[in-house]
Amino acid sequence: GENVEQHPSTLSVQEGDSAVIKCTYSDSASNYFPWYKQELGKRPQLIIDIRSNVGEKKDQRIAVTLNKTAKHFSLHITETQPEDSAVYFCVRGGYGGSQGNLIFGKGTKLSVKP
Amino acid sequence: DGGITQSPKYLFRKEGQNVTLSCEQNLNHDAMYWYRQDPGQGLRLIYYSQIVNDFQKGDIAEGYSVSREKKESFPLTVTSAQKNPTAFYLCASIDGPLGTEAFFGQGTRLTVV
Repeated sequence: GENVEQHPSTLSVQEGDSAVIKCTYSDSASNYFPWYKQELGKRPQLIIDIRSNVGEKKDQRIAVTLNKTAKHFSLHITETQPEDSAVYFCVRGGYGGSQGNLIFGKGTKLSVKP
Repeated sequence: DGGITQSPKYLFRKEGQNVTLSCEQNLNHDAMYWYRQDPGQGLRLIYYSQIVNDFQKGDIAEGYSVSREKKESFPLTVTSAQKNPTAFYLCASIDGPLGTEAFFGQGTRLTVV
């Protein structure tokens, strides 16, 4: 399958600072890019997503950017809080037709120090 | 909560035995997925199904089998051919080919003893 490369694997920031996680992909047919957050011992949950016809999307302290030409997308968290500590996964996917698989990156463990 | 249930939460298997993990959803979702999660490896796709009676292999399908006889059920069998089955298994569902958010079960932790 087509992989998603995610960096960094671990990220430690001070409370109030920003955190950025970056992902690249190779399948040009991908058109849907969600981000999932997995808190310790819990299931992954969707926090934000972006489609290929949009370059940027914001939801309060979280934003995602997509550069379809360069095939990379990023998650930005501003004013980080301790409850942001979790593992974050970028995902590349497609919808419509036969594109049904969601491919996850390896995850970024974010630690926010109070 | 979430409408998708995995059972059991913990499962122990002896070497050489097959074991089946259950995944049931009452969300009327068309697509269902099985992922394996290992430390530092993220979620790796084992199998997925977009419609009843049809399923596709993911990146790590060897040693696993699935069935999709009913829309609400997508059981995963870990066979004795899977050389390293100890892992955390997550099932997810999405509402059809135009669906977006994947809803995950609470996971099953399988340990080979």
